[in-house]
Amino acid sequence: NAGVMQNPRHLVRRRGQEARLRCSPMKGHSHVYWYRQLPEEGLKFMVYLQKENIIDESGMPKERFSAEFPKEGPSILRIQQVVRGDSAAYFCASSPISGQTSTEAFFGQGTRLTVV
Amino acid sequence: SQQGEEDPQALSIQEGENATMNCSYKTSINNLQWYRQNSGRGLVHLILIRSNEREKHSGRLRVTLDTSKKSSSLLITASRAADTASYFCATDQTGANSKLTFGKGITLSVRP
Repeated sequence: NAGVMQNPRHLVRRRGQEARLRCSPMKGHSHVYWYRQLPEEGLKFMVYLQKENIIDESGMPKERFSAEFPKEGPSILRIQQVVRGDSAAYFCASSPISGQTSTEAFFGQGTRLTVV
Repeated sequence: SQQGEEDPQALSIQEGENATMNCSYKTSINNLQWYRQNSGRGLVHLILIRSNEREKHSGRLRVTLDTSKKSSSLLITASRAADTASYFCATDQTGANSKLTFGKGITLSVRP
């Protein structure tokens, strides 16, 4: 049973380009969370998705960032017109059920985005 | 200040010693989780303690939770050089869709 798979592991983009980060949750998991980690910081929640639904996007910047989790395929975090401040590690986590009091979240290895 | 604040920010100990890390939070929680992150790597889940639990053990790890003080501690006994990493506490707040709120982390260095 493969864990949470994220790709690419490293992504370099020039300012103004688009970045697409992919996350395949663990088998049987239908809940996906995206987090961002700036250097020397903890992880900050961005968005929570279920299949074809955005449940909570309270941590997403209002512009340039979007996320989806289609019926088929991985979850995608898209950053348009990247700026240097978007450079960070982006982590995806999945869980089987939300709202349970003892649900562990399983994290991927992250995508390290560098904007040059 | 943020939910899930750890202290100390950095800890340096000798191999074989015990390491104690603390975490405080502000709101009511469903559970509290501790994670480890090696430099430049992903997060490894260490242990989860529910809000109705007071203490939990897993190998060399011991976690306590005091909901009246809104605090938790992680104890690593008989530390090893391989324990060198950053440690984060994360809270699953009540009614928050199971999203986790992380602290800034504690950098643990274990000297061989």
